[in-house]
Amino acid sequence: GENVEQHPSTLSVQEGDSAVIKCTYSDSASNYFPWYKQELGKGPQLIIDIRSNVGEKKDQRIAVTLNKTAKHFSLHITETQPEDSAVYFCAALGVSQGGKLIFGQGTELSVKP
Amino acid sequence: KAGVTQTPRYLIKTRGQQVTLSCSPISGHRSVSWYQQTPGQGLQFLFEYFSETQRNKGNFPGRFSGRQFSNSRSEMNVSTLELGDSALYLCASSLGIHGANYGYTFGSGTRLTVV
Repeated sequence: GENVEQHPSTLSVQEGDSAVIKCTYSDSASNYFPWYKQELGKGPQLIIDIRSNVGEKKDQRIAVTLNKTAKHFSLHITETQPEDSAVYFCAALGVSQGGKLIFGQGTELSVKP
Repeated sequence: KAGVTQTPRYLIKTRGQQVTLSCSPISGHRSVSWYQQTPGQGLQFLFEYFSETQRNKGNFPGRFSGRQFSNSRSEMNVSTLELGDSALYLCASSLGIHGANYGYTFGSGTRLTVV
């Protein structure tokens, strides 16, 4: 079945630096790739998503890139701020498994002031 | 507009008991999915409901069940609780069955502790 690998598991950056989180997926039929931010005590919050017919999408300081050939997608956060500190999850919609979201294991991002 | 509402926020139950969790999706959303989140296994899909019908099911034992009502509200039930069922249970709602078209919005979850 679909599998999503996410790296790194922890990431520490200085305020103002960029952060990059990478994910790979196994199901070539997957067509939807969201990214979620989860803060302590809260549920995952959708921050950006990309569909398989698009290679890149940007929303202010956040961007996502998708390489369908390599089955790889990445989250880029520029000009990081302390409030960006959280756990980030990538996910893929496993079409071959009836349309359920398959999540990566998460990346704990720490932005140091 | 109101987001996804999950009740209760916290629960403590004893092994062997059963528990029912509730999820009210965003108004107008007809699809509800449930996920279990644990430190060791991460976020794992339990099941998805649309128009009161279970459309998809994850790899969980039959002790885990759910249902959806005509107003799209959903409940999940866990019977004969085990210590390993301790987790954050998350509900996600989507406008339609094809989540890739609409995206999923998560609630804050129900933290279940089994003692």
